[in-house]
Amino acid sequence: LAKTTQPISMDSYEGQEVNITCSHNNIATNDYITWYQQFPSQGPRFIIQGYKTKVTNEVASLFIPADRKSSTLSLPRVSLSDTAVYYCLVGDIYTGGFKTIFGAGTRLFVKA
Amino acid sequence: ETGVTQTPRHLVMGMTNKKSLKCEQHLGHNAMYWYKQSAKKPLELMFVYSLEERVENNSVPSRFSPECPNSSHLFLHLHTLQPEDSALYLCASSQDSGTGGGYSNQPQHFGDGTRLSIL
Repeated sequence: LAKTTQPISMDSYEGQEVNITCSHNNIATNDYITWYQQFPSQGPRFIIQGYKTKVTNEVASLFIPADRKSSTLSLPRVSLSDTAVYYCLVGDIYTGGFKTIFGAGTRLFVKA
Repeated sequence: ETGVTQTPRHLVMGMTNKKSLKCEQHLGHNAMYWYKQSAKKPLELMFVYSLEERVENNSVPSRFSPECPNSSHLFLHLHTLQPEDSALYLCASSQDSGTGGGYSNQPQHFGDGTRLSIL
């Protein structure tokens, strides 16, 4: 099971672009990279998923270098409502047995 | 609205009580999950059902008993819980691609959880 490493917390201001990087050095060939967002007292919400290069949707972009050992979630022009915990997940929850697949995540604080 | 509904949203119970948590998904998915989220800890995967078949998790105490009567419903039966079992219990669903593990790459859709407090 690929282990991920993210910064514990980040601060930003409204209107800024925020980039959160996740390291996953032992990512496997068939693994995808998925990012989730979680607000207090809610379940995580899917943001974006990718395998390589760049993926963009209406809320975020995901940049994955050629070696796939890291990935960067980019949130353009954040607002106060983007304050949340962001989780990076990699790999197959089934093949690795039952281990913790969500890390501690990155707590993003957006200030006015 | 996530398409995954959990009830109740809050539950307070004594250590000797028996209760059940319910999860229902309206997304047509064929895989469902139970997670536990304790304060200041990562989400812990408890159980997985894929195509209504349970994958065992030996590290989950037997006081937690899952049930998946069909692909849309998932229950977690609770009995003789301990104070350390107080947590947010989350249900999720996803679509199993049927390629022997491929479902794990499909995004999971989570409910908003049941906040469980053990007295």
